[in-house]
Amino acid sequence: NAGVTQTPKFRILKIGQSMTLQCTQDMNHNYMYWYRQDPGMGLKLIYYSVGAGITDKGEVPNGYNVSRSTTEDFPLRLELAAPSQTSVYFCASRVGGVQPQHFGDGTRLSIL
Amino acid sequence: AQKVTQAQTEISVVEKEDVTLDCVYETRDTTYYLFWYKQPPSGELVFLIRRNSFDEQNEISGRYSWNFQKSTSSFNFTITASQVVDSAVYFCALSEADRGSTLGRLYFGRGTQLTVWP
Repeated sequence: NAGVTQTPKFRILKIGQSMTLQCTQDMNHNYMYWYRQDPGMGLKLIYYSVGAGITDKGEVPNGYNVSRSTTEDFPLRLELAAPSQTSVYFCASRVGGVQPQHFGDGTRLSIL
Repeated sequence: AQKVTQAQTEISVVEKEDVTLDCVYETRDTTYYLFWYKQPPSGELVFLIRRNSFDEQNEISGRYSWNFQKSTSSFNFTITASQVVDSAVYFCALSEADRGSTLGRLYFGRGTQLTVWP
């Protein structure tokens, strides 16, 4: 039962570097999400997708990009890393309707 | 706008005490869903319960119980006879109903850190 898998689990970046956070799910869920969690705060939505080829911005999209070429994968791209992007990133998916979101284990990202 | 408030930042109890975590929400939607998630020290998010806006029945699951009151826009969570393993951050979240592109995004409170001491 893999569920939602995020890689890497930890990463340190230098300011200005770029990287892609990977997210894949094996539950054939249409809806996928990226959140960030800052210390002492709840999760905030970065981007979401309702299916392959369809993505849209959430509350805090600046500095990020996404793509959804397949149902399974929803990578999050940081183009020019900034210290403000230091956070824990969670990917989630859900099948739709009234079903809850299922979360990955998170990626802890530090930008120095 | 959707908003979830968890006024309790941190709660500490001794094992076997009962503890209630408060959640107050704001929404203009008539159809919505409320959730509780648990985040243990290992960091993952674990789904605990979902409640829709038309179902105000309280729910009990083992040592956990939830009290949903639309009149006060609250969805409180009680742990009975708390245990050390209950120590975690607990998040309350609100979701719009699915309608086209709205897609049921989650709005999270800031979370309550519960520490249960032996």
